[in-house]
Formats: sequence, structure tokens, C-alpha cells
Amino acid sequence: GAVVSQHPSRVICKSGTSVKIECRSLDFQATTMFWYRQFPKQSLMLMATSNEGSKATYEQGVEKDKFLINHASLTLSTLTVTSAHPEDSSFYICSASQGFDTEAFFGQGTRLTVV
Amino acid sequence: RKEVEQDPGPFNVPEGATVAFNCTYSNSASQSFFWYRQDCRKEPKLLMSVYSSGNEDGRFTAQLNRASQYISLLIRDSKLSDSATYLCVVRHSSASKIIFGSGTRLSIRP
Repeated sequence: GAVVSQHPSRVICKSGTSVKIECRSLDFQATTMFWYRQFPKQSLMLMATSNEGSKATYEQGVEKDKFLINHASLTLSTLTVTSAHPEDSSFYICSASQGFDTEAFFGQGTRLTVV
Repeated sequence: RKEVEQDPGPFNVPEGATVAFNCTYSNSASQSFFWYRQDCRKEPKLLMSVYSSGNEDGRFTAQLNRASQYISLLIRDSKLSDSATYLCVVRHSSASKIIFGSGTRLSIRP
């Protein structure tokens, strides 16, 4: 199947700093990328949908100024958690899709711990 | 009401049993349907797409009922390795969003 690479897989940062997470589609062009967050024992929650070359669409309750998403090319989207706080500690997962009716492939996820 | 709803479980069944999950969706414009599997602390992986005519992949059978707006997953002859969380996924062509259900936890016991 298609490969989506997410980096880093694990990051620990100090409160108040910013963290950038990269999501790359390695063998296909991703028209759309999605960013999810998952707290322990909870389901995946969609944060935003990112289309190449346009602004991301954020879900209700997700602060766009705090979670900056850039989808500069058809193979790369980045999520930057700005001024991170301990409550931002979570598992962040990206997924990428080629078209509107195709399945999405997931990155390996990034476990963010803010101390 | 959530757009995609699943029974959270957990389902705890013996090895070899048959188990079925249902998932309901509220948006009639939903176009594509999938079942994903997520193991603890890992990313979800596609298990199978769900087609209108129903489809089977080994021990797994998926069905779609558009009139009642639900999809189902049947696992036959369950194995210990089937223990995971199963996520129902719905996609709208118009909005291109991919919406996950909250997942159903399955635990297979020896």
C-alpha cells in the first residue's frame, strides 16, 4: 500500500516552545491531508483538513493560530503546535489521500509530551 | 449526535467465535466507507473498504446498507491477533472529510 511518513515519532518539549511535525506521502501525490489528535483511550479526533495550496479547514474548537498547518506541496504537510502546553500532550496522526473517494493512509503518529 | 457512531465495546469473545460490529452514519451524502484497525499506541491501518454489494476478505465480511445508513463488519473464526480497536470510517466526496467513529474494542481470549 501507499506509504505516509510522519516525523518525528516522539518529541518532548518544554512548555511555551513550538513543535513542528511533518507528514510526507512517499509514493503518491496527496491532494488532501488530514491531521488528527488522539488522547489516551479515546478516539481519533479530526483537527483539520489540509488541501495543497490552500488554507486548511479547521474543525470546530481547534485553534488555527495555535495549530498551524502548511500544505506547501502535494507530498508534504506540516503541523506546528505553537506555544505548547502540557494539555497539548497527545498522539498526533496525519493521513493522506489521493482523491475524494479513496482510502486514506496514515503516518506512524507523533507522540508529543510537553513538560 | 455524532456523525458516525459505533458501540465502543469492549467485546470480549473466545477464540474461534464469530463477532459482528455495526456502525451508523448520519449524513446521507456519505460516499465512501471503510473499516480500519488500530492497535494500541499505533496508527490506524486500513482493514477493508466497504462496497455497496458487500465484500469479503478471508475471515472478514463488510456490508453497507444505504437505506438504513449503517455498515457492518463480521469476523469469523476469530484469532487472538484480531484483538484491536476497529474504526468505522465515512467519507464525503463533497467535503472530502474523513470522519472516524469512536471505535469498537475487541478482545479475543484463548
